[in-house]
Amino acid sequence: EAGVTQSPTHLIKTRGQQATLRCSPISGHTSVYWYQQALGLGLQFLLWYDEGEERNRGNFPPRFSGRQFPNYSSELNVNALELEDSALYLCASSLSPILEQYFGPGTRLTVT
Amino acid sequence: TQLLEQSPQFLSIQEGENLTVYCNSSSVFSSLQWYRQEPGEGPVLLVTVVTGGEVKKLKRLTFQFGDARKDSSLHITAAQPGDTGLYLCAGESGTSYGKLTFGQGTILTVHP
Repeated sequence: EAGVTQSPTHLIKTRGQQATLRCSPISGHTSVYWYQQALGLGLQFLLWYDEGEERNRGNFPPRFSGRQFPNYSSELNVNALELEDSALYLCASSLSPILEQYFGPGTRLTVT
Repeated sequence: TQLLEQSPQFLSIQEGENLTVYCNSSSVFSSLQWYRQEPGEGPVLLVTVVTGGEVKKLKRLTFQFGDARKDSSLHITAAQPGDTGLYLCAGESGTSYGKLTFGQGTILTVHP
């Protein structure tokens, strides 16, 4: 069974630009989660999507947004990029919100 | 804000030694998960504990959930170089659905 996949693996952007990150969950999983892992800050919860709806949001500004498509894949969009947005962005999926979350390999975003 | 304090932050030991990693909080969690992450990859789920006092064993790894569901520990017996990595605890509360709160992680290095 294929795991969670994310693309691209690496993304380099300049300050002020927009970044789009993509995630495909494990087949059959309907919940998708996004986390930011910045150096020295650990994993911080960003967003949770389930059945196409945003269900929960972490303490991040509105320029972090996303969506979930009918096939349960998801996009994370980061607008007006700032240097401190440089981090590993991890996507996870679960069969239901109360079950374990399985992570993808992440997208390394570098903002210069 | 729920916090998970993980200790120690760094652990450097010789092959064959035993070690324990601790995860503590003042908040109650409905479940707690342990992950292992290697550089450039996403966290890999090791175990989930849900019942206070629960003990789970995975080969040389023993996981325990505190009676009050506020703390957990990971004990590794006879550590091997292949155990090297970042160990993360993550808790899910009943109040912030779908969100995992992560500890800062323990970087374990096992020397041959």
